[in-house]
Amino acid sequence: KAGVTQTPRYLIKTRGQQVTLSCSPISGHRSVSWYQQTPGQGLQFLFEYFSETQRNKGNFPGRFSGRQFSNSRSEMNVSTLELGDSALYLCASSLRVGDPSSGNTIYFGEGSWLTVV
Amino acid sequence: AQSVTQLGSHVSVSEGALVLLRCNYSSSVPPYLFWYVQYPNQGLQLLLKYTSAATLVKGINGFEAEFKKSETSFHLTKPSAHMSDAAEYFCAVDRGSQGNLIFGKGTKLSVKP
Repeated sequence: KAGVTQTPRYLIKTRGQQVTLSCSPISGHRSVSWYQQTPGQGLQFLFEYFSETQRNKGNFPGRFSGRQFSNSRSEMNVSTLELGDSALYLCASSLRVGDPSSGNTIYFGEGSWLTVV
Repeated sequence: AQSVTQLGSHVSVSEGALVLLRCNYSSSVPPYLFWYVQYPNQGLQLLLKYTSAATLVKGINGFEAEFKKSETSFHLTKPSAHMSDAAEYFCAVDRGSQGNLIFGKGTKLSVKP
């Protein structure tokens, strides 16, 4: 069974540009969440999507957005890139069985390394 | 509100020695707790998960963790460290209906030959 797949793995962008990252969850998983990892702030939650709807959102500016498609694949977009957006962006998926979803195992992808210059 | 504190940003052990990585949690409800490992330039891999079925949880690669409610702890241990265990380890608590995990700052484990 394939794991969580993220593309691209590495990318370099210039300040002011925008970027789109893609995530394919584990087959059958309907919940996709995104995290940002930086040396200074650690792992921070960006947002979660379930059934094409954003269910939860972390404390990030509106430049960070995402969406989920009917096949559960997800994309996140960052507009007007800043140097501080350089980070590892991790996508995670889970079955999200039941509501609340406590205890559902969350599986992570390898991440997309974004460098903003 | 849930939170997680990992004591020690860096732990160094000799090969064959006991590994002990500390994690304390704060939660107003019975928590679901996780340990993840991150190898250099990779994503997070689940080591083990506590969901109240048993207080001693066994994970992959010989790791285990014990949930102690009285101490609000969920420390990760391995009896004998191997060079391949060198990585960063993250403890996390499930925020439940909020749909996300709250992570600790991580502990980098070094294993000396």
